[in-house]
Amino acid sequence: EADIYQTPRYLVIGTGKKITLECSQTMGHDKMYWYQQDPGMELHLIHYSYGVNSTEKGDLSSESTVSRIRTEHFPLTLESARPSHTSQYLCASKSSAETQYFGPGTRLLVL
Amino acid sequence: SQQGEEDPQALSIQEGENATMNCSYKTSINNLQWYRQNSGRGLVHLILIRSNEREKHSGRLRVTLDTSKKSSSLLITASRAADTASYFCATDPPGTYKYIFGTGTRLKVLA
Repeated sequence: EADIYQTPRYLVIGTGKKITLECSQTMGHDKMYWYQQDPGMELHLIHYSYGVNSTEKGDLSSESTVSRIRTEHFPLTLESARPSHTSQYLCASKSSAETQYFGPGTRLLVL
Repeated sequence: SQQGEEDPQALSIQEGENATMNCSYKTSINNLQWYRQNSGRGLVHLILIRSNEREKHSGRLRVTLDTSKKSSSLLITASRAADTASYFCATDPPGTYKYIFGTGTRLKVLA
């Protein structure tokens, strides 16, 4: 069982609100990832980090931002949420080994 | 566009039957992994096969890799209702820490 956590699990908010999705892992992994996934669809990488103070944008353009101040923590922020941001957001981490470990996801609904 | 394409998109079988799903990708890879995702949850790693391997087994799972055809298959033998989930392949192109996920196969095993 992977030690990677995401909060909240579900979030319903109004348009224009600022939100932060939390992701933390206790495995000491240096690499962390955020994916966006619509129901029944493929995963799209939106952000990743190689380590503390290192973040990169992924393949899918996203209006979100991330930070990596501590190894175990990789929060994702939306400054002004819109209905188009409604989706599931999955956080993952990995060490130098190849396997990614995924959190349970956050389901976001923007009204 | 996404690296991986999977087929079939959806598969429905009876308990006890075998399930085969396929993944095709576009670039060279270091390895290929298969993940399972239960509805509304994060992904769980199933098996990894390296680019210099042709076949790998793990319990009821058998994975093959054909790098000349840029394709892989996942076979689940003697399927169970608990195998009902979406299955994704993920490739790890050289020179990057990113993983690229396929479109997924939704498997339903009927009891």
